Amino acid sequence: AQSVAQPEDQVNVAEGNPLTVKCTYSVSGNPYLFWYVQYPNRGLQFLLKYITGDNLVKGSYGFEAEFNKSQTSFHLKKPSALVSDSALYFCAVRPTSSGSARQLTFGSGTQLTVLP
Amino acid sequence: SQTIHQWPATLVQPVGSPLSLECTVEGTSNPNLYWYRQAAGRGLQLLFYSVGIGQISSEVPQNLSASRPQDRQFILSSKKLLLSDSGFYLCAWGMTASHEQYFGPGTRLTVT
Repeated sequence: AQSVAQPEDQVNVAEGNPLTVKCTYSVSGNPYLFWYVQYPNRGLQFLLKYITGDNLVKGSYGFEAEFNKSQTSFHLKKPSALVSDSALYFCAVRPTSSGSARQLTFGSGTQLTVLP
Repeated sequence: SQTIHQWPATLVQPVGSPLSLECTVEGTSNPNLYWYRQAAGRGLQLLFYSVGIGQISSEVPQNLSASRPQDRQFILSSKKLLLSDSGFYLCAWGMTASHEQYFGPGTRLTVT
């Protein structure tokens, strides 16, 4: 069975500084990896995904993530944080061998707070 | 473009009352549909998914049920709500040919 770990419940960063939100995964075979963001009382918004190819993937709102197969990690990054980036971030995984239903397994979430 | 709707946005129901939450998707055909519950603003628990009309798979046994009467309609129901059913319910859609899921705005359910 697949699993996702987000080791930090809370990440605080000053506005303008780089940010990193960590994610590690466990899956049989090759993974598909995803990042989502959730603002208070809203649904999840898709940010980016890794399917295959370049280990560095770029997504919405200036976010990017680096896939590291040897470390089984998929950390979310942004070079310069904005106060508006403050939200709850979820990492998700799906094995490439999953069936047609394409179920995702989500991490527990990391609350990012960007301080002005 | 595709859009996903959920209603109602908020709901307060007494223990033992029935429940019906609705989700509809526009702008696509034959989507995979999903119901999640998010408790305490954190982790998502997959409740049900569907790959087609009338096809429902349950991930967690509980007093909830789901139905898909039409291609782009997904309904979450309960005959008798429990206090533990309180939470934020999210519907999502995706396609077999792609990989990501797209989420609706959610329904905040409070069981009193």
